[in-house]
Amino acid sequence: QKEVEQNSGPLSVPEGAIASLNCTYSDRVSQSFFWYRQYSGKSPELIMSIYSNGDKEDGRFTAQLNKASQYVSLLIRDSQPSDSATYLCAVSQGGYSTLTFGKGTMLLVSP
Amino acid sequence: EADIYQTPRYLVIGTGKKITLECSQTMGHDKMYWYQQDPGMELHLIHYSYGVNSTEKGDLSSESTVSRIRTEHFPLTLESARPSHTSQYLCASSEGYGGDTQYFGPGTRLTVL
Repeated sequence: QKEVEQNSGPLSVPEGAIASLNCTYSDRVSQSFFWYRQYSGKSPELIMSIYSNGDKEDGRFTAQLNKASQYVSLLIRDSQPSDSATYLCAVSQGGYSTLTFGKGTMLLVSP
Repeated sequence: EADIYQTPRYLVIGTGKKITLECSQTMGHDKMYWYQQDPGMELHLIHYSYGVNSTEKGDLSSESTVSRIRTEHFPLTLESARPSHTSQYLCASSEGYGGDTQYFGPGTRLTVL
């Protein structure tokens, strides 16, 4: 059974700090990795996708992928109170496969 | 920005009623999905479709049914609503083979009294 594991949190960081969100997955043939942000009562919105080992940066967000360790992370630099949300990690095996979502990590950024 | 729409956004209905939740996308995506999510809880995939005339059941057993007669339209129907169906229903779409990125609609919050 494919599994995606995330610490449920909450992860509390002060404004301006770096928030580090982690995710592990069980299926070694996974090819595509995603981070979604979900505000309370809203639908998930895509933050980043990553497909190759290493780092991928987009503004204040950096996704890191290590397929050997089956580990993907999301770093948020200069965290803002508006970043307070639940962050969902999602993994796909490609082709016609569906996404497997983790349960999400709640991030709280205090002013 | 994804163009995927859901109606109604909120629905309060009595037990036993038949309801249809609408989902439409204008991106020409082949794949569409329905998720169910209770407040503060994880997403559960209940139905998905690879394209027209294709429907599959997801990981979570659901009493709902879906149809895919047109590429852009993927409605979800509950024949007889019950209080246990109270939840948020999220529709998503993605491209065809190899297109993994899913884009979500705004959701329908359903309350069954």
